[in-house]
Amino acid sequence: GQQVMQIPQYQHVQEGEDFTTYCNSSTTLSNIQWYKQRPGGHPVFLIQLVKSGEVKKQKRLTFQFGEAKKNSSLHITATQTTDVGTYFCAARSGNTGKLIFGQGTTLQVKP
Amino acid sequence: DTEVTQTPKHLVMGMTNKKSLKCEQHMGHRAMYWYKQKAKKPPELMFVYSYEKLSINESVPSRFSPECPNSSLLNLHLHALQPEDSALYLCASSPLGLGTYEQYFGPGTRLTVT
Repeated sequence: GQQVMQIPQYQHVQEGEDFTTYCNSSTTLSNIQWYKQRPGGHPVFLIQLVKSGEVKKQKRLTFQFGEAKKNSSLHITATQTTDVGTYFCAARSGNTGKLIFGQGTTLQVKP
Repeated sequence: DTEVTQTPKHLVMGMTNKKSLKCEQHMGHRAMYWYKQKAKKPPELMFVYSYEKLSINESVPSRFSPECPNSSLLNLHLHALQPEDSALYLCASSPLGLGTYEQYFGPGTRLTVT
């Protein structure tokens, strides 16, 4: 079935450093969504990208959708301790329409 | 109101017990979901209801029985669970179904099966 690969699995950064997580698919995606789950919390929707080459920004977060719509990235500039959590990408399965989640990237930020 | 609520927050049950998890949303969403999440793993889809009809069952064992009494409520009935069923059970909703729209997750029920 369709899979979305996400790397890295873990990332430890010093506060103020940048952070990037990547999602890749072998098939063309109709959309990609990003969610954040704080420790002990539940996934919270961040953004959805639909168009080829789309770039969206939310304050220090920059989301990109590749030109071929097979990859996406989330970049955080100047991390803060509030950025701690697991970031999941999720894509719509072409066959069933259900959301397929990547394995997630867990971000730790050292103050 | 952009909230999905779930009760209970925590549940401990024996393998012979019957219990139910409840989920509620008042956003007018027409799709509702049950996910199971193990530690350090992504949410794993169990069931999807679209317009109050079961549209996806991800080959979930029959000891899990979903129910959608109306467009705002979603239940998950549990019976004869196994210890490996211990996990965080998340309910979610979206305006319409099947991956086209963002999903709003509830806080989850942390289930322990003893």
